[in-house]
Amino acid sequence: QVQLQESGPGLVKPSETLSLTCTVSGDSISSGHYFWSWVRQPAGKGLEWIGRIYVSGGTNYNPSLKSRVDISVDTSKNQFALKLTSVTAADTAVYYCVRPKWSGYHVFEYWGQGALVTVSS
Amino acid sequence: AIQLTQSPSSLSASVGDRVIITCRASQGISNALAWYQQKPGKPPKLLIYDASSLESGVPSKFSGSGSGTDFTLTISSLQPEDFATYYCQQFRINPPTFGGGTKVENK
Repeated sequence: QVQLQESGPGLVKPSETLSLTCTVSGDSISSGHYFWSWVRQPAGKGLEWIGRIYVSGGTNYNPSLKSRVDISVDTSKNQFALKLTSVTAADTAVYYCVRPKWSGYHVFEYWGQGALVTVSS
Repeated sequence: AIQLTQSPSSLSASVGDRVIITCRASQGISNALAWYQQKPGKPPKLLIYDASSLESGVPSKFSGSGSGTDFTLTISSLQPEDFATYYCQQFRINPPTFGGGTKVENK
């Protein structure tokens, strides 16, 4: 059974960097079968895809966030990570790490439970 | 980015009702559409992909249809566990985008 678990600080100050890690179990990131994504959801609002990473390290980002986002992978720990710089209150959201149903398709079958990150001083 | 417009944004229905939610894309996406169900405090759950294919383990009371720009999600007979928010999502063109959601509430 594939499981994803987000971890990281729940409170970040404005202008600082949000950092989250997703630990994967039940699947091996290094198998190269899938890309791994981050999706976020502000409270009471809809879902926004942030970006994805392949085991090779290749990334794709949402143009709306591209200048501030970095996604990386650590195959030795079976983890991938999100960094979002220069955060503001608008970045307050629940952040999900996700895995698609098939390689190459953004149909999201497996989701972490989500990590609430609040941007506040 | 492709915009997805869901309607209605919310609806009130009773157990046993047939519920239809629509999703319109700002440009044609063939059948590259998925539907998700989300309950409070939980991540979204995949219900339908490729516009009409039922995800494994999802009850057959859920069905999807459509192609191009207009899509529907139908719940044939609403049950208590179906009160939730439903989202459509396109995966035809990057970035993948989601609709604004439809909240199904108990009348």
